Amino acid sequence: EVHLVESGGGLVQPGGSLRLSCAASGFTFSTYDMHWVRQAAGKGLEWVSGISTAGHTYYADSVKGRFTISRENAKNSFYLQMNSLRAGDTAVYYCATGLDIWDSWGQGTLVTVSS
Amino acid sequence: QSVLTQPPSASGTPGQRVSISCSGSSSNIGSHYVFWYQQLPGTAPKPLVYNNNQRPSGVPDRVSGSKSGTSASLAISGLRSEDEADYYCSSWDDSLRAWVFGGGTKLTVL
Repeated sequence: EVHLVESGGGLVQPGGSLRLSCAASGFTFSTYDMHWVRQAAGKGLEWVSGISTAGHTYYADSVKGRFTISRENAKNSFYLQMNSLRAGDTAVYYCATGLDIWDSWGQGTLVTVSS
Repeated sequence: QSVLTQPPSASGTPGQRVSISCSGSSSNIGSHYVFWYQQLPGTAPKPLVYNNNQRPSGVPDRVSGSKSGTSASLAISGLRSEDEADYYCSSWDDSLRAWVFGGGTKLTVL
């Protein structure tokens, strides 16, 4: 069974940094593109970043230059390094993956940017 | 403002058929597949439709997707109370080089 578990969320001050992790199990991690999707309270889904099996990275304009996605296939994990955090980055962050569609999601980790 | 446009709300009575629209442009829906997700309160999104009109295993055939030009639709027939949820469309956008979502549609079963 596919299992994704996020960690690393928490409270951080504006301008601060946080690193999210997503640990994967139950599938051949290295053969899947991986994504981060966030959702602010009461708002819709927003794709944040994705990384391909070959290591190509993609970012939403809202986080470009501030966030960095990476993966470590040997550890079946991928990450989101978030720098220069703003209040608008406050959200639940989900990791997600799938072949035809993102059919596997983590439970989400809450990131709160506040002073 | 979302790149893909959905109505904020939709409603229907049990047994009815409801449709949710998703409008985009030539750089996203017009050129790429459309995906639909269902999200119940406090839970992660669940996939409903991929590649415009394909259902993942486990999704009932009363759920269907379609696409025409730069717009797509999700239809749910035989509406049930458990269909009450938020629904999101998604597609890849060539101009943004990013995945984009619609703003979401809250479906209420009256």
